[in-house]
Amino acid sequence: TQLLEQSPQFLSIQEGENLTVYCNSSSVFSSLQWYRQEPGEGPVLLVTVVTGGEVKKLKRLTFQFGDARKDSSLHITAAQPGDTGLYLCAGAVNSGYALNFGKGTSLLVTP
Amino acid sequence: EAGVAQSPRYKIIEKRQSVAFWCNPISGHATLYWYQQILGQGPKLLIQFQNNGVVDDSQLPKDRFSAERLKGVDSTLKIQPAKLEDSAVYLCASSPRPGIETQYFGPGTRLLVL
Repeated sequence: TQLLEQSPQFLSIQEGENLTVYCNSSSVFSSLQWYRQEPGEGPVLLVTVVTGGEVKKLKRLTFQFGDARKDSSLHITAAQPGDTGLYLCAGAVNSGYALNFGKGTSLLVTP
Repeated sequence: EAGVAQSPRYKIIEKRQSVAFWCNPISGHATLYWYQQILGQGPKLLIQFQNNGVVDDSQLPKDRFSAERLKGVDSTLKIQPAKLEDSAVYLCASSPRPGIETQYFGPGTRLLVL
């Protein structure tokens, strides 16, 4: 059973376009993290959100945690080829517990 | 600061053979994780260590998988005997302590079982 559902599974866009990827669950999480994974590498943490309704910005990336702490979204403005990769969301049901990862959204940004 | 080191980077074996992976976490990190990432899926936790003790191994197939973290630093993950469905990337991660701390991942070991 997949605790976190990510959508879309694949996304191919051109440089300069905007996009949003989603991470949804029926479970409440104490925290949620977004990672980016490039081919042949391990995931790298982008952001951690803890408070319901929280919005965090990292340059062109905007992360939002749902009010009920069951879902999250990642919005990328003016995508660049360097944004290409697998975007994974991961949630912890309780602090100190193991992370549950979604299957990821594979993003391809073409020049 | 050196990152999480893993070896080997690639391994090809035949089914029913044995294989072992090694992980050296970031210096001073008390918590170490082993994940299995099958193609097209997100990482799945196999085992979590806090120093040299096991915190969570509920998803480790204990009939064939084993892991140890002697002296609370390096760790090895072993599969014996391997099955075709064990083909995956095995990721090691470490964090200063459990919780919502950042997990730092190594590059992974890609295993192909023929």
